[in-house]
Amino acid sequence: AQRVTQPEKLLSVFKGAPVELKCNYSYSGSPELFWYVQYSRQRLQLLLRHISRESIKGFTADLNKGETSFHLKKPFAQEEDSAMYYCALKGGANNLFFGTGTRLTVIP
Amino acid sequence: SQTIHQWPATLVQPVGSPLSLECTVEGTSNPNLYWYRQAAGRGLQLLFYSVGIGQISSEVPQNLSASRPQDRQFILSSKKLLLSDSGFYLCAWSVQRPGEQYFGPGTRLTVT
Repeated sequence: AQRVTQPEKLLSVFKGAPVELKCNYSYSGSPELFWYVQYSRQRLQLLLRHISRESIKGFTADLNKGETSFHLKKPFAQEEDSAMYYCALKGGANNLFFGTGTRLTVIP
Repeated sequence: SQTIHQWPATLVQPVGSPLSLECTVEGTSNPNLYWYRQAAGRGLQLLFYSVGIGQISSEVPQNLSASRPQDRQFILSSKKLLLSDSGFYLCAWSVQRPGEQYFGPGTRLTVT
């Protein structure tokens, strides 16, 4: 069965410090993974997808099939990065299975 | 450009009352449509999805139902609300890019 696990509900880091939001998945097929973000008073929106191998707002995420992980990383956190972050796994019919989310707070 | 609307934004309903939440999409044709519920500590749970008019798939058994009477309209309903139906309900749409979904502003439902 598909499952996405985000072990940290809350994460606080100081501005300028590195940040890593953890995501582990369970999926029998070839996984497609995404990170979604919800800033305060804004809609949930796509941040990045693993197949694009892109860096968005300084964030990157590498799919590690051996560890079944898709951790989100940024070398230097900014205050505007404070938000709720969701890891998601694509199922059939473009369904997404979301983790429980991690609330990131960047301390000035 | 494409937009997605949900209403109402907030709703307080007594236990046992009916429910109807509406979601409409503009600027695209034949989208996939989704209803999610966001409950505290449980993340986003997919409730229903639809790949076309009249085509509804349910992901979890529950007190809710969904309908898609028009191509860009998706409705979430209940005949009798339960306390456990309280939560934040999100509608989303997607077209071709796998996993890329666009979310509405959500409806916060409180069942009292």
